[in-house]
Amino acid sequence: NAGVTQTPKFQVLKTGQSMTLQCAQDMNHNSMYWYRQDPGMGLRLIYYSASEGTTDKGEVPNGYNVSRLNKREFSLRLESAAPSQTSVYFCASSEVISRAHSNQPQHFGDGTRLSIL
Amino acid sequence: AQKVTQAQTEISVVEKEDVTLDCVYETRDTTYYLFWYKQPPSGELVFLIRRNSFDEQNEISGRYSWNFQKSTSSFNFTITASQVVDSAVYFCALSEADTNAGKSTFGDGTTLTVKP
Repeated sequence: NAGVTQTPKFQVLKTGQSMTLQCAQDMNHNSMYWYRQDPGMGLRLIYYSASEGTTDKGEVPNGYNVSRLNKREFSLRLESAAPSQTSVYFCASSEVISRAHSNQPQHFGDGTRLSIL
Repeated sequence: AQKVTQAQTEISVVEKEDVTLDCVYETRDTTYYLFWYKQPPSGELVFLIRRNSFDEQNEISGRYSWNFQKSTSSFNFTITASQVVDSAVYFCALSEADTNAGKSTFGDGTTLTVKP
């Protein structure tokens, strides 16, 4: 029962370093998402992917890139980390039955706690 | 544009008290979905309930109940006889049906503390 797996769980970077956060789901979901969670600000959508090969910007995409490598995997890359990107990052997936317009709940990974010094 | 407002930032109650968490949403779509998620101190996000815009029936699951009212654009969550294990951050979320990716907009969350 792995669900959504994120790696790493913790990471400390220096300003300017690059890093890729990995996410994989084993539920055969078509949609995947990356969020950041900052104190008092809830979950903010960074990027999302409706299907393999497609990605779209969310609310706060600046400073990030994503890759939907296949149906299972959706990675988030910080090309040049900045202190403002210190946050907890969550990956999620869900099943969207587009013909029925039926949006199912999202399943979340355990999060990656990222600190940028 | 969709928006979710959880006006209560923090709530503190004593065990066995009832507590209601408010959620007000904005959307122009006629077909949409509302969700509640729980984030306990351990940090994971757990799905609690999903409601579609055509189903205004209230739902009860054990000590949890949800009141969906389209007339006031609200989807409130009540915990009856609260317990210490209910202490968590609770998020309300809205997803419009016409987005093919099922993306959701989350409220800022309400931190519930239940004291023994």
